[in-house]
Amino acid sequence: DTEVTQTPKHLVMGMTNKKSLKCEQHMGHRAMYWYKQKAKKPPELMFVYSYEKLSINESVPSRFSPECPNSSLLNLHLHALQPEDSALYLCASSQGGGTPSEQYFGPGTRLTVT
Amino acid sequence: QKEVEQNSGPLSVPEGAIASLNCTYSDRGSQSFFWYRQYSGKSPELIMSIYSNGDKEDGRFTAQLNKASQYVSLLIRDSQPSDSATYLCAVKPGTYKYIFGTGTRLKVLA
Repeated sequence: DTEVTQTPKHLVMGMTNKKSLKCEQHMGHRAMYWYKQKAKKPPELMFVYSYEKLSINESVPSRFSPECPNSSLLNLHLHALQPEDSALYLCASSQGGGTPSEQYFGPGTRLTVT
Repeated sequence: QKEVEQNSGPLSVPEGAIASLNCTYSDRGSQSFFWYRQYSGKSPELIMSIYSNGDKEDGRFTAQLNKASQYVSLLIRDSQPSDSATYLCAVKPGTYKYIFGTGTRLKVLA
């Protein structure tokens, strides 16, 4: 089973709202990722958690706040977003940092900021 | 800047033909290479991984890796209209970072 789940599938929020995206995997993977993808562009890495600790923050604005409550769950808290933050937000997981290192994506959350 | 380059396409092939997708990368230290398929509006789906020089076959898909020349390719045999999608090449140069190419759009013509 290589399933990563994400909720919600779609989210529309105003610039003053606070919302959260959720991601879950049950593959025993120890690394989890948040990506942002705009139309016709490749996924753009935002954050990496390895063994439940934040390993990489790609200089993401503080209006995006990640959280890893346990090894299976990853959240992305959203606050005071801008319209340009509208995108497909993808969660992914991999076994860890070594090899093999296949990374599997969830179905994504389509976010629209109004 | 570590880069992964792909021709954006579209690459158009007739149904039943072989589609050949190519990718070059700049970081010689990269050890892990992946091909993802992404349908419009959907998330990337992993279709192949390759770690050693040579060919790796899985069904209609063959991944080829040449580390000396820093390229990786994907062959799709007996292409079907359902293979029409954007194919993303990804390279893992470090511990947790995956660098994606911009993708090649493939159109299989019925």
